[in-house]
Amino acid sequence: NAGVTQTPKFRILKIGQSMTLQCAQDMNHNYMYWYRQDPGMGLKLIYYSVGAGITDKGEVPNGYNVSRSTTEDFPLRLELAAPSQTSVYFCASSYAAGSSYNSPLHFGNGTRLTVT
Amino acid sequence: AQKVTQAQTEISVVEKEDVTLDCVYETRDTTYYLFWYKQPPSGELVFLIRRNSFDEQNEISGRYSWNFQKSTSSFNFTITASQVVDSAVYFCALSGWDDKIIFGKGTRLHILP
Repeated sequence: NAGVTQTPKFRILKIGQSMTLQCAQDMNHNYMYWYRQDPGMGLKLIYYSVGAGITDKGEVPNGYNVSRSTTEDFPLRLELAAPSQTSVYFCASSYAAGSSYNSPLHFGNGTRLTVT
Repeated sequence: AQKVTQAQTEISVVEKEDVTLDCVYETRDTTYYLFWYKQPPSGELVFLIRRNSFDEQNEISGRYSWNFQKSTSSFNFTITASQVVDSAVYFCALSGWDDKIIFGKGTRLHILP
């Protein structure tokens, strides 16, 4: 059982380039999340999705786009990369979220992105 | 808006000492969930505990215990008889009606041998 798989593990981008961070889960979870972790700054929510075809902005969505065409996949797109997007990106999934019932997040191993 | 504050950026204690990590949250929701996650030096994020807002009972799991107090909007985490393997960054998180899961900035814990 792979859980949450993120690719690539590392990437260096030049300013202005674009790329897609891949995230796939095999647990049939409806809820998926993208976070970025800057040094000493904790995890900031970029985008999230409560099911295929539904996405919503988190705390820091600017400079990113997402899509959710299937339950399994939740790619994160960076357009026109900037040095401020240098960070570690974590994808996570959950069986349930919200206030009625909530289950823990399963995290991928992260993608370390450097923009120079 | 929901908010999680972990005021302790970094803590160092000597092995076998007890240590408490503080978490204060803000939410207007009457029903919500609180979590603690651990991030060891290897970088992965590991779930430790989930607590819903209707359950204020404290919880103990081995050397770990959690104190949830709605009156002070706090969900503190205590490690008893700390060990070097407890060295990690610990995150508190909050989830409410809107399905967002918001994290605090984390507390980096150093356990010195």
